[in-house]
Amino acid sequence: GQNIDQPTEMTATEGAIVQINCTYQTSGFNGLFWYQQHAGEAPTFLSYNVLDGLEEKGRFSSFLSRSKGYSYLLLKELQMKDSASYLCAAPFSGGYNKLIFGAGTRLAVHP
Amino acid sequence: ETGVTQSPTHLIKTRGQQVTLRCSSQSGHNTVSWYQQALGQGPQFIFQYYREEENGRGNFPPRFSGLQFPNYSSELNVNALELDDSALYLCASKFSGTGVFNEQFFGPGTRLTVL
Repeated sequence: GQNIDQPTEMTATEGAIVQINCTYQTSGFNGLFWYQQHAGEAPTFLSYNVLDGLEEKGRFSSFLSRSKGYSYLLLKELQMKDSASYLCAAPFSGGYNKLIFGAGTRLAVHP
Repeated sequence: ETGVTQSPTHLIKTRGQQVTLRCSSQSGHNTVSWYQQALGQGPQFIFQYYREEENGRGNFPPRFSGLQFPNYSSELNVNALELDDSALYLCASKFSGTGVFNEQFFGPGTRLTVL
């Protein structure tokens, strides 16, 4: 079967660093996506990892370990606007568009 | 602003009715996927269309159907609406090419409420 697990909620302080974890089980592997979704808005693409290791993109970094079925999203220098849901997703059936999503992690950033 | 638009923004229907939701993709995007997102959940894949043909389907019954048109627009049709169909419906489009990863872009969604 295919399954993606991530924590339901997290809180953090403005200026801090937060790590959002994701574990996945998929039949075959075609990469791991992270999306950000503000309340009432569409998901927006953050990152796509297909190889092991850390990929840095400004304040956001994403890590992948294929052997462990594990990924995390690292957010540095948190800002209030980072309060959102963060969705971990993996393709299935060999198609990059056909994504299975986790339930999302709601991150609340406090002053 | 992703260049993907959806209409209507909000919609209220009653149980048993039929609904058509619309999506307009960026020019050149030959692939569109539809997702259902219940409150507090991640999006669930409904189906995908590639060059106007269905190209994969999630765990949704046949009363969920779709169309993709040559002008980069698409539709999601739901017949015999049930209360559990209340959700945000998202379309996502991209250009699919051999061996190339291209980001898919989500529209803002249609919020459907079934009473």
